[in-house]
Amino acid sequence: DAGVIQSPRHEVTEMGQEVTLRCKPISGHNSLFWYRQTMMRGLELLIYFNNNVPIDDSGMPEDRFSAKMPNASFSTLKIQPSEPRDSAVYFCASSLALRYEQYFGPGTRLTVT
Amino acid sequence: QKEVEQNSGPLSVPEGAIASLNCTYSDRVSQSFFWYRQYSGKSPELIMSIYSNGDKEDGRFTAQLNKASQYVSLLIRDSQPSDSATYLCAVRNNAGNMLTFGGGTRLMVKP
Repeated sequence: DAGVIQSPRHEVTEMGQEVTLRCKPISGHNSLFWYRQTMMRGLELLIYFNNNVPIDDSGMPEDRFSAKMPNASFSTLKIQPSEPRDSAVYFCASSLALRYEQYFGPGTRLTVT
Repeated sequence: QKEVEQNSGPLSVPEGAIASLNCTYSDRVSQSFFWYRQYSGKSPELIMSIYSNGDKEDGRFTAQLNKASQYVSLLIRDSQPSDSATYLCAVRNNAGNMLTFGGGTRLMVKP
């Protein structure tokens, strides 16, 4: 079975540009989580969805960040405008339901210059 | 105080030895505990989950939970160089749906 799929795997962009990260959860999983990982702050939860509905976005750092889940098999995380401090690895994870084990995608390494 | 604390390491053990990784958490009502392994440049991979006090064994891995002491550990028996990675402890409390991750412990297994 395919795991969580993320694209792109690497993104390099200039400050001020819009960035869109994409995620396809494991088929049949109803919960989806977006994380960010940096050396300084470790792994941080940004937002999570259950049955395509955003449940908690308190981890989203600023209004420049937004996330959507239009259907059960697709989610996006958008940063507009991007800033150098947004450089990090962004992971998407999914689980069968909210309190089940979470499985991570390969991540998107974002570099904002 | 961080919610989930781990020694950043590196923890260095010789091949074949037992590696012991420790994690403490601050929220007494935490109910679910997970260990993830993360190789450099890769994503976290779930290796163990534990929900009740005591030990849970899976192959060379044993997770130990002591809720009274707010302590969870991971033992890796017969450590192999391929076990060299960062191990992340994650905790979920009874009320929430979110995982809180520790900073991770880097393990180095030397041949």
